[in-house]
Amino acid sequence: KAGVTQTPRYLIKTRGQQVTLSCSPISGHRSVSWYQQTPGQGLQFLFEYFSETQRNKGNFPGRFSGRQFSNSRSEMNVSTLELGDSALYLCASTRTSGPGETQYFGPGTRLLVL
Amino acid sequence: GEDVEQSLFLSVREGDSSVINCTYTDSSSTYLYWYKQEPGAGLQLLTYIFSNMDMKQDQRLTVLLNKKDKHLSLRIADTQTGDSAIYFCANSGGYQKVTFGTGTKLQVIP
Repeated sequence: KAGVTQTPRYLIKTRGQQVTLSCSPISGHRSVSWYQQTPGQGLQFLFEYFSETQRNKGNFPGRFSGRQFSNSRSEMNVSTLELGDSALYLCASTRTSGPGETQYFGPGTRLLVL
Repeated sequence: GEDVEQSLFLSVREGDSSVINCTYTDSSSTYLYWYKQEPGAGLQLLTYIFSNMDMKQDQRLTVLLNKKDKHLSLRIADTQTGDSAIYFCANSGGYQKVTFGTGTKLQVIP
């Protein structure tokens, strides 16, 4: 069974631009969560989607948004990029949105904002 | 808000046991996890424990939970150079909103 895939793996943008990252979950998984990882803040939860609906949301500004499609693939978008948005963005998928489900992480998209 | 704390660095000799510690503040934590992250890679779930358990063993890994003190530890027996990585403690009150610790970098000296 193929793992979680994320595209692109690396991205360079400039301040003020917007970016869209993509995550394809493991086949049969319906929940996708997004995390931001930075050296200073560590791993922080962005949001979680299940069956095309946002179920949980972390403490990030409205510039960070996401969506999920009917095939469970998910995208996250960051508008008006700031230098501090440079990070590794990880997505994780689980079969359902229930507690205790094992999260499987993708390799991440490394975003650099210049 | 919720907080998960870990020491930043641990160095052990190959063959010794490693113990990585974690404390958390969210008393509603239902699931507590240990993840491993190798350079350039995503996170790999190593093991998890329900909050109503105090110990779980899985091959070389032993997880101890002291719910009263909100303290979680991961013991790796017979540590190998391949165990060198960053280890994250995490907790969840349910569903998929998981709070991660700062990570402990484990260095294994041959």
